[in-house]
Amino acid sequence: GDSVTQMEGPVTLSEEAFLTINCTYTATGYPSLFWYVQYPGEGLQLLLKATKADDKGSNKGFEATYRKETTSFHLEKGSVQVSDSAVYFCALISTGGGNKLTFGTGTQLKVEL
Amino acid sequence: SAVISQKPSRDICQRGTSLTIQCQVDSQVTMMFWYRQQPGQSLTLIATANQGSEATYESGFVIDKFPISRPNLTFSTLTVSNMSPEDSSIYLCSVEGPRGVYEQYFGPGTRLTVT
Repeated sequence: GDSVTQMEGPVTLSEEAFLTINCTYTATGYPSLFWYVQYPGEGLQLLLKATKADDKGSNKGFEATYRKETTSFHLEKGSVQVSDSAVYFCALISTGGGNKLTFGTGTQLKVEL
Repeated sequence: SAVISQKPSRDICQRGTSLTIQCQVDSQVTMMFWYRQQPGQSLTLIATANQGSEATYESGFVIDKFPISRPNLTFSTLTVSNMSPEDSSIYLCSVEGPRGVYEQYFGPGTRLTVT
């Protein structure tokens, strides 16, 4: 079945540092890939998405590129801020997976001054 | 984007009791989803609830344990029945976005602790 593996946290960075959160996947068919973010006390929000190979999703300075050859969708940001502190979830949806979201375990990011 | 609220936001319950979680959306939606997030785990889909039909449960989840109601296009409830400590989790509802199931909006979650 479908699965998503992402790096364990917490990840602690200083403000303005470069961020990478790794995500790899296993899926049947051709999945769409997502990053969701959960700020403290709030629900999950869609951060960005990519629906086909080589697509780059971007939002709020975050980027992720759909790499079919490495089955990866790593999240990056060039300069993090304290306000980026949250839990980040990589997810996919595939026709072979019954059109339901499959999530990774989440990575907590803490950004310090 | 849809605004979703859940009640209660958290609760501590005794084993053997039941808790009903409410999910309210500020717009009409066809599909609503219920997820469980156990401590240190990823989100797992419990069931899909369409208005006017029985909920569709994922493998490992049964209606007797997690009955769901969907009386209209803006509201749903999930009941966790005959609770045990293993039911301690965050329960989230979500709705499909304007692009359908490929883009979901989530509520803030209900943190349940069973003692």
